[in-house]
Amino acid sequence: EDKVVQSPLSLVVHEGDTVTLNCSYEVTNFRSLLWYKQEKKAPTFLFMLTSSGIEKKSGRLSSILDKKELFSILNITATQTGDSAIYLCAATNAGNNRKLIWGLGTSLAVNP
Amino acid sequence: GAGVSQSPSNKVTEKGKDVELRCDPISGHTALYWYRQSLGQGLEFLIYFQGNSAPDKSGLPSDRFSAERTGGSVSTLTIQRTQQEDSAVYLCASSLPGRGGLYYGYTFGSGTRLTVV
Repeated sequence: EDKVVQSPLSLVVHEGDTVTLNCSYEVTNFRSLLWYKQEKKAPTFLFMLTSSGIEKKSGRLSSILDKKELFSILNITATQTGDSAIYLCAATNAGNNRKLIWGLGTSLAVNP
Repeated sequence: GAGVSQSPSNKVTEKGKDVELRCDPISGHTALYWYRQSLGQGLEFLIYFQGNSAPDKSGLPSDRFSAERTGGSVSTLTIQRTQQEDSAVYLCASSLPGRGGLYYGYTFGSGTRLTVV
């Protein structure tokens, strides 16, 4: 059965810290991995990764995929209280990419 | 519209009653998805609409759940004879067709929090 596992489940840091969120996957015919940030109720798209070793960056956020070891990381540098959210990871497979396989998320709390 | 609009934002209903949840996707997004997120659970796929094609209903948890999409735009998710385990946040998402969702991401609505008492 396809699955996506995120770690840690929750994390509390202070403003200015750097955090690394992990996402491992076991997906038949893996195609891509997506990261979302969820505040309140609606997830917002962050990154989509399809190729190993190519870092995607957006401001203080960056992500990379390792298709050999079957994982991705999401890095957030110089964290701010506004980064507090649940970060969700999802994977797609080549056969049925409309049904994303979701992890449970990492709940990040950034304290001032 | 500028984003995906869902209504109501919160719904409290008595066990056994029927509820209807509405989703108005982004104009031009022919793909529409319903997901459910229960407390402590990941996002659970429910149903997928793509244009005029037959919807993929494989994620609907029981025959009490149904959804329709009229005119390729607004979608309604109906839950009949609600049960307490139906309590969750119901999220709607839309995307460009085909691989558009993968390349440009999915846009989620703000969800409907359903509480069955």
